[in-house]
Amino acid sequence: KQEVTQIPAALSVPEGENLVLNCSFTDSAIYNLQWFRQDPGKGLTSLLLIQSSQREQTSGRLNASLDKSSGRSTLYIAASQPGDSATYLCAAGDAGNTPLVFGKGTRLSVIA
Amino acid sequence: DAGVTQSPTHLIKTRGQQVTLRCSPKSGHDTVSWYQQALGQGPQFIFQYYEEEERQRGNFPDRFSGHQFPNYSSELNVNALLLGDSALYLCASSSGQYYGYTFGSGTRLTVV
Repeated sequence: KQEVTQIPAALSVPEGENLVLNCSFTDSAIYNLQWFRQDPGKGLTSLLLIQSSQREQTSGRLNASLDKSSGRSTLYIAASQPGDSATYLCAAGDAGNTPLVFGKGTRLSVIA
Repeated sequence: DAGVTQSPTHLIKTRGQQVTLRCSPKSGHDTVSWYQQALGQGPQFIFQYYEEEERQRGNFPDRFSGHQFPNYSSELNVNALLLGDSALYLCASSSGQYYGYTFGSGTRLTVV
């Protein structure tokens, strides 16, 4: 059974800092991995989707990597801004249209 | 292009009552999944509908039921509401697994 863990649970950084959010998963036979952003009380906004055959994906200041052999994914945020403050969730998708398995998220605060 | 639409946005119900939540998938998507997210937790999978059939189900009691209509929209029904059912209910749509999932803004259910 796939399990997803995100560390740290919360992170506070000054504006402009580069930062890395970590996600680990127990079953390396994943199909893809998706990173989401969630603002308080709101739904999920997809940030990046990495297929199992890919090593990384980039969108603007965001870069997500995937290492299946070690069961890890990282989300790199460059030059952080106060508007980046939110909870970031990663979710593993296994093959066979199985549902996404989520971590508990990392709550990020970027201080101006 | 409208994304995933959920209604209502907020709902307050009394213990023992029944509730129906609604979801319209993103245009072109044929699969709808429902998730429950408690405060401070990652979303938990309830069930998934495809071709008007429940394809997969998570670890939720039979009080949780659903339906998918020919236009791919979906309903989540919860009977005999408990205080512990208070949560954010998220709907996600997809078209195959390769392109990932698109989530709606959620319905905040409060049971008093």
